[in-house]
Amino acid sequence: DTGVSQNPRHKITKRGQNVTFRCDPISEHNRLYWYRQTLGQGPEFLTYFQNEAQLEKSRLLSDRFSAERPKGSFSTLEIQRTEQGDSAMYLCASSFTSGGAADTQYFGPGTRLTVL
Amino acid sequence: EDKVVQSPLSLVVHEGDTVTLNCSYEVTNFRSLLWYKQEKKAPTFLFMLTSSGIEKKSGRLSSILDKKELFSILNITATQTGDSAVYLCAGLNAGNNRKLIWGLGTSLAVNP
Repeated sequence: DTGVSQNPRHKITKRGQNVTFRCDPISEHNRLYWYRQTLGQGPEFLTYFQNEAQLEKSRLLSDRFSAERPKGSFSTLEIQRTEQGDSAMYLCASSFTSGGAADTQYFGPGTRLTVL
Repeated sequence: EDKVVQSPLSLVVHEGDTVTLNCSYEVTNFRSLLWYKQEKKAPTFLFMLTSSGIEKKSGRLSSILDKKELFSILNITATQTGDSAVYLCAGLNAGNNRKLIWGLGTSLAVNP
């Protein structure tokens, strides 16, 4: 399977715990995006990377959230001191961007986080 | 502020019906409009529309973009129960971040 993969698929944690999610993009895709989606809403942009550089982080993202893409391949999203409001589906998408070309983002299966 | 508005928010039809889903957008540096289908998992890509007036087709699904009026439609003919899903459209902002601006989706239920 050469699509975007995410692990774990489901995570249940207690409030106050830290959690970390992993995303493996389509190989050779240089861009990687993290989104959050709650029921009845479209995906909400969190942050994105071009290669290993994190180029934008949503203003909605609190300091408890951090993302890395150390070697320009897989990425991790960490949430510290989780709160019940963090419960959502966390989606990763990747794309290949070259100059001015329009690019399609392909999504992984998502990680569903439940904070008790 | 960039926004994408989809209508209707939900739709219930019978198998065999034809449906039209609407998506209007206001996106700075607009480059493309994308349609995704989302069942109980992550969105799966359907179409990317960049040029106005050119219909894209995939089986019973088709879509077209009107860049003058800033909207797109997604048509599904001869609907099947497997078409039941949330259909999301997103405008691609061609700024450096290539950010997708998402609508809330249209929830389609196809009854047998």
